[in-house]
Amino acid sequence: EDKVVQSPLSLVVHEGDTVTLNCSYEVTNFRSLLWYKQEKKAPTFLFMLTSSGIEKKSGRLSSILDKKELFSILNITATQTGDSAIYLCAVLQGAQKLVFGQGTRLTINP
Amino acid sequence: DTAVSQTPKYLVTQMGNDKSIKCEQNLGHDTMYWYKQDSKKFLKIMFSYNNKELIINETVPNRFSPKSPDKAHLNLHINSLELGDSAVYFCASSPGLAGESTDTQYFGPGTRLTVL
Repeated sequence: EDKVVQSPLSLVVHEGDTVTLNCSYEVTNFRSLLWYKQEKKAPTFLFMLTSSGIEKKSGRLSSILDKKELFSILNITATQTGDSAIYLCAVLQGAQKLVFGQGTRLTINP
Repeated sequence: DTAVSQTPKYLVTQMGNDKSIKCEQNLGHDTMYWYKQDSKKFLKIMFSYNNKELIINETVPNRFSPKSPDKAHLNLHINSLELGDSAVYFCASSPGLAGESTDTQYFGPGTRLTVL
């Protein structure tokens, strides 16, 4: 069965800390891996990773994919309270089907 | 100028009723989706349409019927609502079927359905 597993499920840190969120997957017909941030409403797109070893960066956020070991990490440096959210990892399969992980709930305390 | 919009945002109804949720995207995308997010925040795909044609149909009760009058709209009709249907339903869209640049899915704001 296709599955995407995220860890940790919940993380509480102080403002300014650096966090690493993990996503491992076992899916058929892998096309790409996507990271989303979900605050109160819709998931908003962060990154899409298709190739191994190429880091994608956006401000304090960065992500990398390892297609041999079947995992990805999302790093957030110098965290801010606005980074508090649920971070979702999803793997895109052949016919545009996204398989989501259960999410990591990140809480940044001032 | 909302990219993916859904109506209504909240829907409270009795068991056994029939209800519809509407979704519209103004991004010119070819593919649209419906996802269900349960109380544990787990998102799961239900349906996908490409240019009004059904391409993904997960194991969803046939009380759920998507309808795509044109490629900018994908509505979800639910018959004989049950308590377990209570969830947040998200519509999403993406540019197309092939190629890295077309893979990203953009989500609507969600519709919180509560069945009493």
